[in-house]
Amino acid sequence: GAVVSQHPSWVICKSGTSVKIECRSLDFQATTMFWYRQFPKQSLMLMATSNEGSKATYEQGVEKDKFLINHASLTLSTLTVTSAHPEDSSFYICSASRDGHSGANVLTFGAGSRLTVL
Amino acid sequence: AQKITQTQPGMFVQEKEAVTLDCTYDTSDQSYGLFWYKQPSSGEMIFLIYQGSYDEQNATEGRYSLNFQKARKSANLVISASQLGDSAMYFCAMRESASGGSYIPTFGRGTSLIVHP
Repeated sequence: GAVVSQHPSWVICKSGTSVKIECRSLDFQATTMFWYRQFPKQSLMLMATSNEGSKATYEQGVEKDKFLINHASLTLSTLTVTSAHPEDSSFYICSASRDGHSGANVLTFGAGSRLTVL
Repeated sequence: AQKITQTQPGMFVQEKEAVTLDCTYDTSDQSYGLFWYKQPSSGEMIFLIYQGSYDEQNATEGRYSLNFQKARKSANLVISASQLGDSAMYFCAMRESASGGSYIPTFGRGTSLIVHP
């Protein structure tokens, strides 16, 4: 089955530093990847849609300069939280889709990355 | 307006009993997909079951079945013979078409299921 690897699974950093989270599709090519943010006991909030070879599409209210997304290949998308602050502490989870044009394609999720900014 | 509504923030069920988790959705698209995911305390999202808007039969996957009522726009998840390991958050999700043909998935707020012995 489809496997998505997300790394790191948890990270603690100082305020003001940048943190990069990687999302890799291991056994399929993901033309579209989605980045979500989840606060404790809440739902997944879509941050952006990452398309290979083009700029990411950000959801309303998500700062694109704060959350840099790069989808340079069909198997890798990265989310960089720039100049992180304590309010950026959250659970970030990526998902990948084989084909963004078919509703039947199951979203496969990474295991998530828990970011704590001190 | 919320596209996916899960009205049960928490549910309790006794081991070996069946439980239904509610999900209603709102879309004007003719073609869409409905999903259920399980999120245990570890945080990973585990795919459980899928129902396409054109599927006439209710989807089933082992102990999971989806009670799809298109006219009522509901897609309830039924878990039969609950097990202690079923305790987790359950999210209903929908994929519908967006401009340009790419599908944007949205999730409900989730239902916390606790299975007790």
